[in-house]
Amino acid sequence: GAVVSQHPSRVICKSGTSVKIECRSLDFQATTMFWYRQFPKQSLMLMATSNEGSKATYEQGVEKDKFLINHASLTLSTLTVTSAHPEDSSFYICSAPRDGEKLFFGSGTQLSVL
Amino acid sequence: GENVEQHPSTLSVQEGDSAVIKCTYSDSASNYFPWYKQELGKGPQLIIDIRSNVGEKKDQRIAVTLNKTAKHFSLHITETQPEDSAVYFCAATDSPGNQFYFGTGTSLTVIP
Repeated sequence: GAVVSQHPSRVICKSGTSVKIECRSLDFQATTMFWYRQFPKQSLMLMATSNEGSKATYEQGVEKDKFLINHASLTLSTLTVTSAHPEDSSFYICSAPRDGEKLFFGSGTQLSVL
Repeated sequence: GENVEQHPSTLSVQEGDSAVIKCTYSDSASNYFPWYKQELGKGPQLIIDIRSNVGEKKDQRIAVTLNKTAKHFSLHITETQPEDSAVYFCAATDSPGNQFYFGTGTSLTVIP
């Protein structure tokens, strides 16, 4: 079964609104989670590393104020796309390493901004 | 930082034939190499992985080989089936708790 749960799987929103995506580790604690963005037929682009109890580490070129990350517990990280615009439409995926051994991914969230 | 290259970008095989996907990496500190299968509209699924102290690992129809000296590793799928059709990504890291570096992906099509 799923090791990492991600919700929602699909969201459509109006331009200017904010959208929150949740990522949960189901049977393990994750002090670190990763958030990716994926464009059609392309590889995974790391956006940020979410650290439990501290600030997220963002990759170069990713706007911190636009993509808010909160990792408030050892099993939950959230990504909020603030004031979404059509160019933010994409497939967003989270992942978490289990027991420091293997990296598991959520099922992804397809965001469409109208 | 690490640079992972993956080839080919697309691969078509007849059902029952074998498929091979190759990746190279640049950082000698990398010691963990997973392979992921991604179906359309879904998140990547871990299918097999290998650590640097092992040269080969097999799980039923799937196998991975690693050549640390040459810094390359390969995914082998035997007796391919239509349900093997997906995009496959290789990755490398020096620790699962640290950043993973992904290849650009291979779109595999198995023709019935």
